[in-house]
Formats: sequence, C-alpha cells, structure tokens
Amino acid sequence: DAGVIQSPRHEVTEMGQEVTLRCKPISGHNSLFWYRQTMMRGLELLIYFNNNVPIDDSGMPEDRFSAKMPNASFSTLKIQPSEPRDSAVYFCASSPGQGFSYEQYFGPGTRLTVT
Amino acid sequence: EDQVTQSPEALRLQEGESSSLNCSYTVSGLRGLFWYRQDPGKGPEFLFTLYSAGEEKEKERLKATLTKKESFLHITAPKPEDSATYLCAVLTGTASKLTFGTGTRLQVTL
Repeated sequence: DAGVIQSPRHEVTEMGQEVTLRCKPISGHNSLFWYRQTMMRGLELLIYFNNNVPIDDSGMPEDRFSAKMPNASFSTLKIQPSEPRDSAVYFCASSPGQGFSYEQYFGPGTRLTVT
Repeated sequence: EDQVTQSPEALRLQEGESSSLNCSYTVSGLRGLFWYRQDPGKGPEFLFTLYSAGEEKEKERLKATLTKKESFLHITAPKPEDSATYLCAVLTGTASKLTFGTGTRLQVTL
C-alpha cells in the first residue's frame, strides 16, 4: 500500500484566499484524522471521522475551517478565508479501527504558508 | 485538563551512548500511551502502545516503559539513523482523543 497520501505537499497563499487540502487514507481503514502541527502548540487534533462520519470536530479552530469525507477514500480540509496564523503543517492520518485506541498512520503532511 | 510533558526538549548523543527520554503526564483515566517517531519533513510513525503500569515493549534499540505517572523511551547503543523527534501521546477516557507532547529532538552523532 502507498500509505496515506496528501496533496499538495506545499501551499503558499495570500491572506483571504481559500485553501483546500486533500487526503487519501489507507484502503480499509475506518478512521481518519486531521491534525495541525506548529512549533508553539505541537500536534493538535482538528477533526476525526469514523466510517466517513465526523465524530469529533471540537478541535476545529473556528468557522473558517471545514472538513468533509464524501467517501472512504477521500477527505478534504478547507480554510476560507485563510489567515497568516493558519500557517502550519497539516497532517492527515488513518487507522484500522474506531476511535483513538489503534495506531495511526500519518501522511507526509501539507506545509501551508499564508502571507 | 490532560497534560503531557516531554523532556528533555533536545538531546545530543554520540553513537553508542545509551540514554532515556521522558514523557510525564497528568491525566484522568489513562487508556493508553503511544510513542511515535517523526523524521524531518515527514509525518509521525507509530512505535509503541502501552496500556498499563509495568508494561514494557521493545523494538530494536528502543524500549518503552510505563509507570502511573510517566513513560520512558530507552535508547540502547543508538546509531545516527535513530536521530528524529520522538513524540508521546496519551489517550484518556475523559478526553477520548490523543493529547500529544511537544516531543524530544534526538541527534545521534558519529
């Protein structure tokens, strides 16, 4: 398996623009997670899907952030409008079971820079 | 609020010089403690899960242990390829999600 696939790997955009990050989880995995990593705050969970259904979105910073999982092989994280403080590395991860008790397999991340 | 603290923030070792990384936690109802390795420019890679105090797990030069308040990642005779950031994360019943520490950056030199 190719592992978790994320695109783009790097994104540079101007403040106010819409940004869409994409993720393809490992085939057969039931759970998908979006994380954000910064030097100051480390790795933070944004949202968790199980069987394509959002279960916990309490980590989504504000209404500018939204995530969807239209099917088992694709998810998006959208930021609209983007702000400089959104600059971070965004990771998608998937796991073979429900919840957080199973090991998670992370993608390579998308480095987002908002100027 | 669940808290996870890793120490030291950074550690530089010579090849073959064994040491330990610490992950201390203040949580209610620990359900599991996870160790991940993260190489620069990559996502974290799963290493171990520990569920109860006294449990130990090993993988090559790494051994993870767990007590009621902390976990240690022991690195025996490290090699340069062990250089990475090591993250620990706790899963609790109350939070029902993983809380990650900020990691220990390990550099192993020849």
